[in-house]
Amino acid sequence: GENVEQHPSTLSVQEGDSAVIKCTYSDSASNYFPWYKQELGKRPQLIIDIRSNVGEKKDQRIAVTLNKTAKHFSLHITETQPEDSAVYFCAASKGGSYIPTFGRGTSLIVHP
Amino acid sequence: NAGVTQTPKFQVLKTGQSMTLQCAQDMNHNSMYWYRQDPGMGLRLIYYSASEGTTDKGEVPNGYNVSRLNKREFSLRLESAAPSQTSVYFCASSQRQGPGYGYTFGSGTRLTVV
Repeated sequence: GENVEQHPSTLSVQEGDSAVIKCTYSDSASNYFPWYKQELGKRPQLIIDIRSNVGEKKDQRIAVTLNKTAKHFSLHITETQPEDSAVYFCAASKGGSYIPTFGRGTSLIVHP
Repeated sequence: NAGVTQTPKFQVLKTGQSMTLQCAQDMNHNSMYWYRQDPGMGLRLIYYSASEGTTDKGEVPNGYNVSRLNKREFSLRLESAAPSQTSVYFCASSQRQGPGYGYTFGSGTRLTVV
């Protein structure tokens, strides 16, 4: 089955810095990659996703990049703010059920 | 519009007790899911229902059963709770299964089995 590795497990940055979270996947058939943000004590929420026919997608301060050849995808957050502090989960899924396999999460801490 | 509603929010069980976690969505979504979240383990799928009338096992189904009662409701049952089932449980739904159809999660149930 699919295996998704996510790094780092914890990321600490100063407000205004950029943050990058990286994921790798094992199944070359995976073609849909959502990212979820989970604030402390809250539910996970979808923040951005990318399909395999696209190399990059942006939404304001967040962007996701995909390298199909290397089976890597990354989340980039620019101009970080304290409210960006949360656990971020990457996921990979493929045709059929499109059930996502989640990474183990990255705890992002933005210091004011 | 409540989205995905889970009950209860907190529960403490003794080993061997049974309970049912309830989940309901009001978004007319076709697919529903049950996940458990443990520290450092991410989100692991227990069972899912692609559409009303169907259920399938996920990654960690042992010790659980599910019922898709109707399009809105998807319940998770622990027949004989074990300490290893101490976890936070999330129900989720999606309009359908496919690229671009992200999940909407409920607020979670924190279950402790002593």
